[in-house]
Amino acid sequence: SQQGEEDPQALSIQEGENATMNCSYKTSINNLQWYRQNSGRGLVHLILIRSNEREKHSGRLRVTLDTSKKSSSLLITASRAADTASYFCATIHPNAGGTSYGKLTFGQGTILTVHP
Amino acid sequence: EAQVTQNPRYLITVTGKKLTVTCSQNMNHEYMSWYRQDPGLGLRQIYYSMNVEVTDKGDVPEGYKVSRKEKRNFPLILESPSPNQTSLYFCASSGAGREPQHFGDGTRLSIL
Repeated sequence: SQQGEEDPQALSIQEGENATMNCSYKTSINNLQWYRQNSGRGLVHLILIRSNEREKHSGRLRVTLDTSKKSSSLLITASRAADTASYFCATIHPNAGGTSYGKLTFGQGTILTVHP
Repeated sequence: EAQVTQNPRYLITVTGKKLTVTCSQNMNHEYMSWYRQDPGLGLRQIYYSMNVEVTDKGDVPEGYKVSRKEKRNFPLILESPSPNQTSLYFCASSGAGREPQHFGDGTRLSIL
């Protein structure tokens, strides 16, 4: 079953506005990653936040992680038309023995449309 | 150029005809994985491989096989494809399971 769930499913904003997307998950994680996907293309990694981190920045991106609430948010500031894409969170889980981290669970994604 | 290459990019075939989608990476990555993407369901992991000869099931492994005989290749095999396997498939690789994934451009499969 899907563990990461994004909210909202779709977001439409004007250029220059900020866009916030949320992700919730159900079980303990090693880290949480955000990806971007342009229509029909492969996903591109944006930012990774580890389970012991609370906030991380990369350019116009800001990611927060609240492990007590099992949630993360991705903020894109001063959005541009080129930011139009789908955004996915992915959580990394240990195997049953806790010896490796290979299982990734993606959410259903948030479709962001930025109007010029 | 660092890349993950999938072939074919598009395939239309019929139920029951065995097919293989190849995936190759040139980054010497240990970890490789296959996903399928369906509308409303996001990406779901099919199989992953932590290293050569080490593979494990993801969330939706039924109807698929994989092998990892060499580090750079991780083919996805559909022994007897069915229409419910019509989907967009992505291969990805990374240095280790917990690291960011590098994705291929996808393979769109249609099983009639």
